[in-house]
Amino acid sequence: NAGVTQTPKFQVLKTGQSMTLQCAQDMNHEYMSWYRQDPGMGLRLIHYSVGAGITDQGEVPNGYNVSRSTTEDFPLRLLSAAPSQTSVYFCASTPGGFPDTQYFGPGTRLTVL
Amino acid sequence: GQQVMQIPQYQHVQEGEDFTTYCNSSTTLSNIQWYKQRPGGHPVFLIQLVKSGEVKKQKRLTFQFGEAKKNSSLHITATQTTDVGTYFCAGKGGSEKLVFGKGTKLTVNP
Repeated sequence: NAGVTQTPKFQVLKTGQSMTLQCAQDMNHEYMSWYRQDPGMGLRLIHYSVGAGITDQGEVPNGYNVSRSTTEDFPLRLLSAAPSQTSVYFCASTPGGFPDTQYFGPGTRLTVL
Repeated sequence: GQQVMQIPQYQHVQEGEDFTTYCNSSTTLSNIQWYKQRPGGHPVFLIQLVKSGEVKKQKRLTFQFGEAKKNSSLHITATQTTDVGTYFCAGKGGSEKLVFGKGTKLTVNP
């Protein structure tokens, strides 16, 4: 199993550009989440999904869209990038149940100029 | 909304010293999880605590969940250089959302 994969690993955007961060998992997990990590801020939840076709907002959803058309994929779209979105983005999946382990991908480091 | 506070933000120790990080929630938690993130890496699950007053051990690591299920701690005995990283607690209240603390960054001087 590859676990949780994320692409790209690094990305530089200009203000106003749009892009999609890809996330895929091959563990057949129902739950998937997107987090952003900024220095001194820990991990903040952007959006999450409890199953295909179901998504909901987390703590910091503004400027981001998600969709969940399949169990495996959970892309994160930046609609119009802003410098405040410079961050490291982690995707995570969890099977639910006990323990409620979050399996994190390797992350995408995004810089918005 | 639910908040999870973690202290200290940074901790520097000499190898062999003990280390403790504390986590406090503004609301009662159904469970609390602990993660470790090595420098440049991604968070890795360590443990989940569910029961009031629960104590679990993993080798030199001891995890506790408070009686009121609003606080938790992670204690490392006799730190080693391999313990370097940032330790996060994450709590789940009444929703599906997991709220992370800001983490404690541990550095160990050999």
